[in-house]
Amino acid sequence: GPKVLQIPSHQIIDMGQMVTLNCDPVSNHLYFYWYKQILGQQMEFLVNFYNGKVMEKSKLFKDQFSVERPDGSYFTLKIQPTALEDSAVYFCASSYPGQLYFGEGSKLTVL
Amino acid sequence: GDQVEQSPSALSLHEGTGSALRCNFTTTMRAVQWFQQNSRGSLINLFYLASGTKENGRLKSTFNSKESYSTLHIRDAQLEDSGTYFCAAEGGNNAPRFGAGTKLSVKP
Repeated sequence: GPKVLQIPSHQIIDMGQMVTLNCDPVSNHLYFYWYKQILGQQMEFLVNFYNGKVMEKSKLFKDQFSVERPDGSYFTLKIQPTALEDSAVYFCASSYPGQLYFGEGSKLTVL
Repeated sequence: GDQVEQSPSALSLHEGTGSALRCNFTTTMRAVQWFQQNSRGSLINLFYLASGTKENGRLKSTFNSKESYSTLHIRDAQLEDSGTYFCAAEGGNNAPRFGAGTKLSVKP
């Protein structure tokens, strides 16, 4: 089936540093999403993105978070600066619209 | 408050038996998806429904938008069915929101 690739699979950084999580969505998809999951618990919606703009964001999408997809390359989630509570697995998804396809997740550990 | 209420939170089945998982919605949803999250954390697409019922092997899912619920039926459960099952539903112009998940354990 369609594949969403996420890089890196795992990153460990010190609190206060910047991190960029990269997502290569399914090639003809138009909508892109980030979700956050802590310790295998609920998948929490962060943000979705369409036509170069943020369409919707949740309360979890703090001011330190930003997303972009410059020139059709990776869809990125940047956190600057990171905090301890940002430790989680971040899942990227894309859709045409309709059905969402998820990547394998990027596990972020903030020390 | 939470728009997607998923039950049960945990379920234990013996191999060969079956059960149903349910998601209730507190607002009108236009589509629902079901996923299995396996032990590696990967999300496996099971179903995407805008209405009606779909079946795939030992799994069957129904979405009733009018009555605001969706179900996932598992029959003849196998050990590899173990994992956490999530529904995710989209309403209005909003992105899909997930239920809290059902942790399924299938035992020999």
